[in-house]
Amino acid sequence: EAGVTQFPSHSVIEKGQTVTLRCDPISGHDNLYWYRRVMGKEIKFLLHFVKESKQDESGMPNNRFLAERTGGTYSTLKVQPAELEDSGVYFCASSQERVSGYWGTDTQYFGPGTRLTVL
Amino acid sequence: QKEVEQNSGPLSVPEGAIASLNCTYSDRGSQSFFWYRQYSGKSPELIMSIYSNGDKEDGRFTAQLNKASQYVSLLIRDSQPSDSATYLCAVNNIRTGGFKTIFGAGTRLFVKA
Repeated sequence: EAGVTQFPSHSVIEKGQTVTLRCDPISGHDNLYWYRRVMGKEIKFLLHFVKESKQDESGMPNNRFLAERTGGTYSTLKVQPAELEDSGVYFCASSQERVSGYWGTDTQYFGPGTRLTVL
Repeated sequence: QKEVEQNSGPLSVPEGAIASLNCTYSDRGSQSFFWYRQYSGKSPELIMSIYSNGDKEDGRFTAQLNKASQYVSLLIRDSQPSDSATYLCAVNNIRTGGFKTIFGAGTRLFVKA
């Protein structure tokens, strides 16, 4: 079974440009998450999709970030316009368990990440 | 105060020893707790999850949870050089049907051969 894949693995862009990151979750996983790790800091939650619906986007830093998951399969994260502080590694994760009830297990499988450098 | 706090380390233990990694969290409403291992340049890999107070053992790994003290720990028995990595503590909060996972900054572990 293929794991979570992300594209591109690296991206170097200039401040003010637009970048789109893509994540393909494990087939059949309804839950998809985006995270970001800025150098020297902890991994930060950005948002959570259940199928095509955004369940929690409280971690999105500002309106320069737009995440979509059309059709509930792959997801894209667009940064427009990119700023220097957006540099970091963007991880995507997916999980199979449905979010229901009080005791969610939510074993998340992480992709390899996209390293974004904004110059 | 950070939501999930870990000692950044590095924690250095000799091969064969027990490595003890600790984590505290601030939100008493947290319900699910995870330990991830991350090798340099790689993505996090889940190694343990725990939801109830007490101990949970899986091979050489034991996770311990104390919700009253808001404390989670990971013990690695018979540590091997291949265990050298950064260990991330993560906590889940369920908010209106979603999961918001909060990560600690990680503890670097070195196992000396």
